[in-house]
Amino acid sequence: SQKIEQNSEALNIQEGKTATLTCNYTNYSPAYLQWYRQDPGRGPVFLLLIRENEKEKRKERLKVTFDTTLKQSLFHITASQPADSATYLCARDGGFNKFYFGSGTKLNVKP
Amino acid sequence: EAQVTQNPRYLITVTGKKLTVTCSQNMNHEYMSWYRQDPGLGLRQIYYSMNVEVTDKGDVPEGYKVSRKEKRNFPLILESPSPNQTSLYFCASSRNREGNTIYFGEGSWLTVV
Repeated sequence: SQKIEQNSEALNIQEGKTATLTCNYTNYSPAYLQWYRQDPGRGPVFLLLIRENEKEKRKERLKVTFDTTLKQSLFHITASQPADSATYLCARDGGFNKFYFGSGTKLNVKP
Repeated sequence: EAQVTQNPRYLITVTGKKLTVTCSQNMNHEYMSWYRQDPGLGLRQIYYSMNVEVTDKGDVPEGYKVSRKEKRNFPLILESPSPNQTSLYFCASSRNREGNTIYFGEGSWLTVV
């Protein structure tokens, strides 16, 4: 199966700093990667999609990169706020109409 | 409002007692999926459906069944639940398979004792 790996350790940062989360994938590069936010006990919510031919995508304080050489996507939140505290999931299509999610990285932003 | 609605949200049941978790979306989406989420394992796809009457297995289909008789509904059936199916379940839909936003339901907490 197509694996997606995210750092299972929580990321703790101070308010105002930039949070950077990593998503690594195996096997062939997917046509796109997606990032989702999940709050405790809730369903994931879509944030950003980046395609294979795009190096970088931005949306307000969010930025995603896609490096097919490193087989990696980085997700950045600039000027982080306590309200950004959540678990962030990376996802890829895996061929054969399937979809794969990483186990997520929990972000804690401290005031 | 775009919604994926699943029921029940919380359920405690006993081993072997058949149950169905319903899922409905109001966005006319073609692609629908069921996932289970377990600590440390993330979201794993159980079954998916490309359209009405078209369903296929995801990564962890054992012990589950699905059906897609109408475009908006995609129920998950546990014919004979076992304790290892205790999990948080999510239904999801997207316009199609081609890189579109996936919308998730609020989740169904299932405990099998």
